This record gives sequence, structure tokens and C-alpha cells, in this order.
Amino acid sequence: SAVISQKPSRDICQRGTSLTIQCQVDSQVTMMFWYRQQPGQSLTLIATANQGSEATYESGFVIDKFPISRPNLTFSTLTVSNMSPEDSSIYLCSVKIAGGADTQYFGPGTRLTVL
Amino acid sequence: GQNIDQPTEMTATEGAIVQINCTYQTSGFNGLFWYQQHAGEAPTFLSYNVLDGLEEKGRFSSFLSRSKGYSYLLLKELQMKDSASYLCAVRENDYKLSFGAGTTVTVRA
Repeated sequence: SAVISQKPSRDICQRGTSLTIQCQVDSQVTMMFWYRQQPGQSLTLIATANQGSEATYESGFVIDKFPISRPNLTFSTLTVSNMSPEDSSIYLCSVKIAGGADTQYFGPGTRLTVL
Repeated sequence: GQNIDQPTEMTATEGAIVQINCTYQTSGFNGLFWYQQHAGEAPTFLSYNVLDGLEEKGRFSSFLSRSKGYSYLLLKELQMKDSASYLCAVRENDYKLSFGAGTTVTVRA
């Protein structure tokens, strides 16, 4: 398995500001993803974080709103830009680790509230 | 895209067995996952099936039939701590996961 940490664990932000969420993994990973879970709903994939290149975004998500970096195999950031109350969600980092069982794990999540 | 269906809610008694069904229609298939999610927490990996058949892991088992687009998660000897949401997720060939809406299981004493 992998130990995945996210910072911050939660935050309350004002409308119009931006927040950067960090994801750190203790193992070499082959794939890193960012998901969103809005209140009372299931998880939705935002993007695949690609090492050293631009992230691959899903329909409905754009780079200007959710810029993503992945400078190395074990670290990624997701920024939620120009926030509005609709961005209030849990944001989760997910990884597929190199070798071992073919499983995917989730970080503890970042609970974001936008006022 | 993906179409993944699972029941919204299930209730069972402590010590009983509950089976959560999941049906899916996908353009590509590279495995089916079950996750457990307690309120306010991140999903926890339970099981992974990529071949047809039953995978058993303690009190939890998961079954897959690729030809039918069907899976189930079986929870045996239910405990109060098993009250949670159970998420069925299908992985496509590019390793992206698509999730069902989740099944909330309530275990009663």
C-alpha cells in the first residue's frame, strides 16, 4: 500500500481567493489523479496529473480553474482558483503505485468550504 | 463514458449478511473496485476484481462477471462499524476510475 498525505486537511476560504492543495506519497507511483466529492455525492475525476507535463482534464474541468502541477513522481498540487461557494467540496488525491497489487488508493482528502 | 448503478440504501441487522450489487456499462474495462467510505472520511480500498469470479478477503467478498457487466460486494457477519457508504468504481483502460453514486449501508443492533 501507500501512505498518502494531503495538506491542508481542511480550510475555509473567501469567495474570489485561491487555495493550493498538496499531495505527497511515500512510494513511487505510476499514476496520480485528483477527484472532487461534493456534499452528498460520489467522487468525480477532475484530472490526471502528469509528471513534467500539463495535466489531462475531464469534461467540465479546465486548467484555468484547477491548475495542477506534478514536478516529480511522488508530489502533486491542485489549485482551486477564483473560488465560489459551488467549489465547496472534498478534494482527494488518488494514486496507483508502481509494482505490487494493481490497486488505487486515496489520500485523506481536503475539506474546502467557500463562504 | 460509464454508467454505473448501485442501490442507494440498504439496512441489515448486526451479524447478518448483505449483498450490494453493481451493474456497469463501459467503453473500456480494466478492473472493478469497491471502496468503503465512512462519513467525513476518505474512501478506503476494499477489493479489486479484473477477472471473473469471487475474491474473498475475510468478512468481505467481491464477485465479478465481465460478460454481464455485474459485480457484487458481500459483507458477512455484519458489525456496527460496517455502517458506511460503499462505492463501486470501474477503471477504464487509461486507469481513470468512474464511481457509482454509492450505497449507504446501515447496520442495526
